[in-house]
Amino acid sequence: QVTLRESGPALVKPTQTLTLTCSFSGFSLSTSGMCVGWIRQPPGKALEWLAVIDWEDDKYYNSSLKTRLTISKDTSKNQVVLTMTSLDPMDTATYFCARMTAATQKYYFDYWGQGNLVTVSS
Amino acid sequence: QSVLTQPPSVSAAPGQKVTISCSGSSSNIGNNYVSWYQQLPGTAPKLLIYDNNKRPSGIPDRFSGSRSGTSATLGITGLQTGDEADYYCGTWDSSLFIWVFGGGTTLTVL
Repeated sequence: QVTLRESGPALVKPTQTLTLTCSFSGFSLSTSGMCVGWIRQPPGKALEWLAVIDWEDDKYYNSSLKTRLTISKDTSKNQVVLTMTSLDPMDTATYFCARMTAATQKYYFDYWGQGNLVTVSS
Repeated sequence: QSVLTQPPSVSAAPGQKVTISCSGSSSNIGNNYVSWYQQLPGTAPKLLIYDNNKRPSGIPDRFSGSRSGTSATLGITGLQTGDEADYYCGTWDSSLFIWVFGGGTTLTVL
Protein backbone atom coordinates (compact mmCIF):
# COMPACT_ATOMS: atom_id res chain seq x y z
CA GLN A 1 0.00 0.00 0.00
CA VAL A 2 1.02 3.63 -0.46
CA THR A 3 2.53 5.40 2.53
CA LEU A 4 4.38 8.69 2.97
CA ARG A 5 6.23 9.97 6.00
CA GLU A 6 7.74 13.37 6.63
CA SER A 7 10.89 13.82 8.65
CA GLY A 8 12.78 16.90 9.71
CA PRO A 9 13.42 19.22 12.61
CA ALA A 10 10.70 20.31 14.98
CA LEU A 11 12.41 23.60 15.84
CA VAL A 12 14.31 25.94 13.55
CA LYS A 13 15.81 29.34 14.29
CA PRO A 14 14.86 32.41 12.24
CA THR A 15 17.01 32.95 9.14
CA GLN A 16 18.02 29.28 9.07
CA THR A 17 17.30 26.81 6.28
CA LEU A 18 14.71 24.07 6.72
CA THR A 19 15.23 20.67 5.13
CA LEU A 20 12.35 18.21 5.09
CA THR A 21 12.41 14.69 3.72
CA CYS A 22 9.44 12.74 2.45
CA SER A 23 10.05 8.99 2.45
CA PHE A 24 7.47 6.99 0.58
CA SER A 25 6.63 3.45 -0.39
CA GLY A 26 4.10 1.66 -2.56
CA PHE A 27 4.84 3.57 -5.75
CA SER A 28 7.76 4.82 -7.84
CA LEU A 29 8.44 8.41 -8.80
CA SER A 30 9.76 7.13 -12.10
CA THR A 31 6.28 5.93 -13.08
CA SER A 32 4.37 8.14 -15.50
CA GLY A 33 1.75 10.23 -13.70
CA MET A 34 3.34 10.06 -10.29
CA CYS A 35 4.29 13.22 -8.43
CA VAL A 36 5.03 14.22 -4.85
CA GLY A 37 4.10 17.57 -3.41
CA TRP A 38 4.50 19.56 -0.23
CA ILE A 39 1.68 21.41 1.51
CA ARG A 40 1.83 23.30 4.78
CA GLN A 41 -0.73 24.46 7.33
CA PRO A 42 -0.03 27.14 9.92
CA PRO A 43 -1.79 26.48 13.24
CA GLY A 44 -5.50 27.13 12.87
CA LYS A 45 -5.17 28.20 9.25
CA ALA A 46 -5.81 26.82 5.77
CA LEU A 47 -3.74 24.51 3.62
CA GLU A 48 -1.09 26.19 1.50
CA TRP A 49 0.50 24.38 -1.44
CA LEU A 50 4.28 24.78 -1.64
CA ALA A 51 5.78 22.68 -4.43
CA VAL A 52 5.49 19.52 -6.49
CA ILE A 53 7.94 17.37 -8.44
CA ASP A 54 6.88 14.92 -11.13
CA TRP A 55 8.14 11.70 -12.66
CA GLU A 56 10.04 13.62 -15.34
CA ASP A 57 11.77 15.74 -12.69
CA ASP A 58 9.73 18.82 -13.60
CA LYS A 59 9.29 21.11 -10.62
CA TYR A 60 6.57 23.61 -9.82
CA TYR A 61 6.56 26.13 -6.99
CA ASN A 62 4.20 28.42 -5.11
CA SER A 63 4.73 31.77 -6.81
CA SER A 64 5.10 33.76 -3.60
CA LEU A 65 7.65 31.35 -2.08
CA LYS A 66 9.50 30.32 -5.22
CA THR A 67 12.76 32.11 -4.40
CA ARG A 68 13.01 30.29 -1.07
CA LEU A 69 12.04 26.76 -2.09
CA THR A 70 13.88 23.88 -3.71
CA ILE A 71 12.34 20.46 -4.30
CA SER A 72 14.32 17.44 -5.40
CA LYS A 73 13.93 13.69 -5.62
CA ASP A 74 16.02 10.59 -5.17
CA THR A 75 14.14 7.93 -7.06
CA SER A 76 16.43 5.12 -5.90
CA LYS A 77 15.75 5.98 -2.25
CA ASN A 78 12.05 6.77 -2.74
CA GLN A 79 12.56 10.19 -1.18
CA VAL A 80 11.64 13.77 -1.98
CA VAL A 81 13.41 16.63 -0.23
CA LEU A 82 12.14 20.17 0.26
CA THR A 83 14.42 22.97 1.38
CA MET A 84 13.19 26.37 2.45
CA THR A 85 15.61 29.19 3.12
CA SER A 86 15.42 32.30 5.29
CA LEU A 87 12.95 30.88 7.79
CA ASP A 88 10.69 33.32 9.64
CA PRO A 89 8.27 32.75 12.55
CA MET A 90 5.47 33.06 9.96
CA ASP A 91 6.74 29.78 8.48
CA THR A 92 5.66 27.93 11.61
CA ALA A 93 3.33 25.22 10.33
CA THR A 94 2.69 21.54 9.92
CA TYR A 95 4.34 20.44 6.69
CA PHE A 96 2.71 17.60 4.78
CA CYS A 97 3.97 15.64 1.83
CA ALA A 98 1.46 13.96 -0.43
CA ARG A 99 1.39 11.89 -3.56
CA MET A 100 -0.18 13.55 -6.56
CA THR A 101 -1.63 11.50 -9.37
CA ALA A 102 -1.44 13.45 -12.62
CA ALA A 103 -3.02 13.03 -16.04
CA THR A 104 -4.21 15.52 -18.63
CA GLN A 105 -6.43 17.96 -16.71
CA LYS A 106 -6.73 15.48 -13.87
CA TYR A 107 -4.63 16.08 -10.77
CA TYR A 108 -5.27 15.20 -7.17
CA PHE A 109 -3.44 14.38 -3.94
CA ASP A 110 -4.53 10.86 -3.10
CA TYR A 111 -2.19 9.89 -0.25
CA TRP A 112 -0.87 12.10 2.53
CA GLY A 113 1.75 11.82 5.23
CA GLN A 114 0.85 12.54 8.84
CA GLY A 115 2.68 15.87 8.85
CA ASN A 116 5.74 17.36 10.53
CA LEU A 117 5.19 20.33 12.82
CA VAL A 118 7.94 22.90 12.39
CA THR A 119 8.23 25.82 14.81
CA VAL A 120 10.40 28.77 13.87
CA SER A 121 11.62 30.49 16.98
CA SER A 122 14.84 31.76 18.51
CA GLN B 1 -6.44 35.33 -0.11
CA SER B 2 -7.00 31.93 -1.73
CA VAL B 3 -7.33 31.54 -5.50
CA LEU B 4 -10.40 29.35 -4.97
CA THR B 5 -13.23 30.80 -2.90
CA GLN B 6 -15.14 28.75 -0.34
CA PRO B 7 -17.56 29.83 2.39
CA PRO B 8 -15.75 29.91 5.75
CA SER B 9 -18.38 27.81 7.46
CA VAL B 10 -21.58 25.85 6.95
CA SER B 11 -23.81 24.07 9.41
CA ALA B 12 -26.77 21.73 9.43
CA ALA B 13 -28.52 19.28 11.70
CA PRO B 14 -27.77 15.55 11.83
CA GLY B 15 -29.44 13.69 9.00
CA GLN B 16 -29.74 16.79 6.85
CA LYS B 17 -27.91 17.73 3.66
CA VAL B 18 -25.31 20.42 3.13
CA THR B 19 -23.45 21.78 0.12
CA ILE B 20 -20.10 23.56 0.01
CA SER B 21 -19.25 25.72 -2.96
CA CYS B 22 -15.86 26.37 -4.53
CA SER B 23 -15.48 29.19 -7.01
CA GLY B 24 -12.53 29.67 -9.33
CA SER B 25 -11.71 30.81 -12.83
CA SER B 26 -11.29 29.56 -16.36
CA SER B 27 -7.61 28.72 -15.80
CA ASN B 28 -8.24 26.43 -12.84
CA ILE B 29 -11.70 24.96 -12.23
CA GLY B 30 -12.78 25.87 -15.74
CA ASN B 31 -9.95 23.88 -17.28
CA ASN B 32 -9.09 21.08 -14.83
CA TYR B 33 -10.88 18.56 -12.68
CA VAL B 34 -11.55 19.37 -9.04
CA SER B 35 -10.79 17.35 -5.93
CA TRP B 36 -12.07 17.71 -2.38
CA TYR B 37 -10.32 16.94 0.90
CA GLN B 38 -11.66 16.30 4.37
CA GLN B 39 -9.52 17.22 7.35
CA LEU B 40 -10.77 15.95 10.68
CA PRO B 41 -9.44 17.81 13.74
CA GLY B 42 -5.79 17.07 14.39
CA THR B 43 -5.34 14.82 11.36
CA ALA B 44 -3.92 15.02 7.85
CA PRO B 45 -6.24 15.84 4.96
CA LYS B 46 -7.88 12.92 3.22
CA LEU B 47 -8.99 12.70 -0.41
CA LEU B 48 -12.78 12.73 -0.51
CA ILE B 49 -13.64 13.40 -4.16
CA TYR B 50 -11.45 13.43 -7.27
CA ASP B 51 -12.05 14.12 -10.96
CA ASN B 52 -15.00 16.36 -9.96
CA ASN B 53 -17.30 13.55 -8.84
CA LYS B 54 -15.46 10.29 -8.19
CA ARG B 55 -15.11 8.77 -4.75
CA PRO B 56 -12.02 6.82 -3.66
CA SER B 57 -12.58 3.38 -2.29
CA GLY B 58 -14.04 3.55 1.20
CA ILE B 59 -15.71 6.95 0.86
CA PRO B 60 -19.47 6.54 1.37
CA ASP B 61 -21.89 7.67 -1.31
CA ARG B 62 -23.23 10.29 1.11
CA PHE B 63 -20.43 12.42 -0.33
CA SER B 64 -20.79 13.72 -3.89
CA GLY B 65 -19.15 16.29 -6.11
CA SER B 66 -20.03 18.26 -9.19
CA ARG B 67 -18.55 20.95 -11.40
CA SER B 68 -20.22 23.53 -13.60
CA GLY B 69 -18.20 26.12 -15.48
CA THR B 70 -15.76 27.72 -13.05
CA SER B 71 -17.44 26.44 -9.87
CA ALA B 72 -17.58 23.15 -8.04
CA THR B 73 -19.79 21.85 -5.27
CA LEU B 74 -19.38 19.23 -2.57
CA GLY B 75 -22.56 17.67 -1.26
CA ILE B 76 -22.96 15.69 1.93
CA THR B 77 -26.22 13.95 2.78
CA GLY B 78 -27.32 12.16 5.93
CA LEU B 79 -25.04 14.33 8.05
CA GLN B 80 -23.33 12.71 11.00
CA THR B 81 -21.45 14.27 13.89
CA GLY B 82 -18.38 12.49 12.59
CA ASP B 83 -18.55 14.64 9.45
CA GLU B 84 -17.54 17.71 11.44
CA ALA B 85 -14.31 18.74 9.76
CA ASP B 86 -12.66 21.25 7.48
CA TYR B 87 -13.24 20.71 3.77
CA TYR B 88 -10.97 21.99 1.02
CA CYS B 89 -11.34 22.08 -2.74
CA GLY B 90 -8.30 22.02 -4.98
CA THR B 91 -7.21 21.87 -8.58
CA TRP B 92 -4.38 22.71 -10.95
CA ASP B 93 -4.11 26.16 -12.47
CA SER B 94 -3.04 25.78 -16.09
CA SER B 95 -2.05 29.42 -16.54
CA LEU B 96 0.03 29.80 -13.41
CA PHE B 97 1.33 26.20 -13.36
CA ILE B 98 0.53 25.88 -9.68
CA TRP B 99 -1.78 23.90 -7.46
CA VAL B 100 -4.51 25.95 -5.80
CA PHE B 101 -6.57 25.23 -2.71
CA GLY B 102 -9.70 26.90 -1.49
CA GLY B 103 -9.57 28.64 1.86
CA GLY B 104 -11.41 25.79 3.52
CA THR B 105 -14.91 25.41 4.95
CA THR B 106 -15.63 24.32 8.49
CA LEU B 107 -18.66 22.05 8.74
CA THR B 108 -20.58 22.03 11.99
CA VAL B 109 -23.23 19.38 12.55
CA LEU B 110 -25.56 20.96 15.08
